[in-house]
Amino acid sequence: SQQGEEDPQALSIQEGENATMNCSYKTSINNLQWYRQNSGRGLVHLILIRSNEREKHSGRLRVTLDTSKKSSSLLITASRAADTASYFCPTDSWGKFQFGAGTQVVVTP
Amino acid sequence: DTAVSQTPKYLVTQMGNDKSIKCEQNLGHDTMYWYKQDSKKFLKIMFSYNNKELIINETVPNRFSPKSPDKAHLNLHINSLELGDSAVYFCASSQLGQGAGGYTFGSGTRLTVV
Repeated sequence: SQQGEEDPQALSIQEGENATMNCSYKTSINNLQWYRQNSGRGLVHLILIRSNEREKHSGRLRVTLDTSKKSSSLLITASRAADTASYFCPTDSWGKFQFGAGTQVVVTP
Repeated sequence: DTAVSQTPKYLVTQMGNDKSIKCEQNLGHDTMYWYKQDSKKFLKIMFSYNNKELIINETVPNRFSPKSPDKAHLNLHINSLELGDSAVYFCASSQLGQGAGGYTFGSGTRLTVV
């Protein structure tokens, strides 16, 4: 399977803390993306990192990519209750775009 | 001014019925998709259309038939609904094909077959 697999499956933190989740994949990729899905809603694109990039920032989000380990991480700094959602990392591998089951993040006040 | 809109949001229907889900995007994207999200949150691609042409057709029962009258619309018709079809179906679109520039998703259609 070429899908990104997120780890951990679930994460519970308090507001203000940082949240880190990881993603692993099996084959070479063109890019890797992170999405957020709030309960009962569609997925929202957060950030895209290309295979020749190692780190990318967007607001409170920091994404790293290690193609040698076939892994990526998403760091959310200073988490807020609104960050409570599931996070997915689909990989684009020459025409196939597959999603894993996501990491469910709960941020408590 | 919703970017990707799909209707209906909820659909409850009996086994054996035929139903359709509609999707429209106003982003001018060339590529549209249908995804199925099961109860374990796995999202699986079903179909992809680029400029009204089918480009991805995953292993999906032929009871599912996508129709793209123009590049802004991709509808999903399901015949002879079965209990296992219950899921949330998401429509999405992208500009650069294969989602390389990022997908824009609709808010989903929760289908319940009883």
